[in-house]
Formats: sequence, C-alpha cells, structure tokens
Amino acid sequence: SQQGEEDPQALSIQEGENATMNCSYKTSINNLQWYRQNSGRGLVHLILIRSNEREKHSGRLRVTLDTSKKSSSLLITASRAADTASYFCATDGSNFGNEKLTFGTGTRLTIIP
Amino acid sequence: EPEVTQTPSHQVTQMGQEVILRCVPISNHLYFYWYRQILGQKVEFLVSFYNNEISEKSEIFDDQFSVERPDGSNFTLKIRSTKLEDSAMYFCASTPQGLNTEAFFGQGTRLTVV
Repeated sequence: SQQGEEDPQALSIQEGENATMNCSYKTSINNLQWYRQNSGRGLVHLILIRSNEREKHSGRLRVTLDTSKKSSSLLITASRAADTASYFCATDGSNFGNEKLTFGTGTRLTIIP
Repeated sequence: EPEVTQTPSHQVTQMGQEVILRCVPISNHLYFYWYRQILGQKVEFLVSFYNNEISEKSEIFDDQFSVERPDGSNFTLKIRSTKLEDSAMYFCASTPQGLNTEAFFGQGTRLTVV
C-alpha cells in the first residue's frame, strides 16, 4: 500500500454515533496530522500527534498513534451532520530537511441526520 | 484568526497559456508550500520554499512550474504553458517552523485548463 492509506474509503453513520477512521503509513515519521476537507473546499487542520505520543484529544476528536504498526486512528465521538466531510491523514518524513506532507487517500464520512 | 488566502478561487485558462496562482501566507510564517489535488484524488506535494529558495520539490514540479516570493507577503506559483492535466485544485500552505507544527492551508484555487 502507499504511504498514507486510510480505511474505510467511505463511512456512513447515524448522527450521534461515533466514527472511527484508520490510517496506515510505510516510512518513519516525526509526526502525523489529520485534516478535514469539506467538498471542494480547503484543508482544515484537526490535530497533530508526534511520534513519541500515543494518544491525543481535542474536543470530540481522539487520535491514536502506533508507530510499531505504522498506523493511526481518528475517532469522532457523538457525530454531527456538520462532521460530514473527507478526512485525511498526512505524514512528514523523519529525515532532516524532508519538508513535505504525504497525504493519504482519505475517508469520506457521511453523517445521516 | 490568521489565515492563508489564495486568489483567484477559480481560474479557467486555455491550454498553453501561462497562469499565476497567488497566495498570501500567514504573516509570521517562514515555510511555504504548494500542493495540488486532481479531482477525486489525493492531495499531492509540489514544492516547499524557505529562506527565499526551494527546499524540496516533487517529480510533478518540472520546468513548467516556478515559485516566487516577490515581496514580503505574496507567494506565487507559475505554470508556464498549461496542459489539460494541470487541471486541479491548487493549495498553498504555510507553517511557522516547518513540519514540526501544523500546516495552515488556504481555500485553494481551482484551475481548469480547456
């Protein structure tokens, strides 16, 4: 698989339920970021987790990182209709001077009111 | 809240024409980036820029592409001779200290080459 693969590719849940999205990557990283993109719009930063962190919370968001498995998960609790969007993970490289983010393929989340 | 702004939001151009996409990064940020997203595909890195020079570029960023920071506020991406396959959403981003901190993205410029 490519660097930054999310699964599932698409997820539909009822409003109020929790949504979990997963991301796998292949190379060593310094940090991993999650972004949201509403249809046809820009990327909104959600959360950054560093390679020495295992879990991070921000409001209704919970991100975990398992560097041994090269994977991360994003949990959105108590989902709302406004959470409908595509969600991407993005990794940097651990090499000094690696100044690019590599994005995953994204999970398209639909919240059904 | 400070934000990255991009203009225009949508540009239509004839194949072979030159286009310049403009970005105003957040004022105290030092690292600047261009990414693109072809419709329905993943976001792809094009180029990073720091201290008035390119620090990294992808295979996509060939001789047809160039970037410039002409003054203290603007950061531009020029495509010299557009091709149909250049049609995409182009995103500018900036960070204060490289990728140890979150990257702030603009709303994008949708480029359509006809």
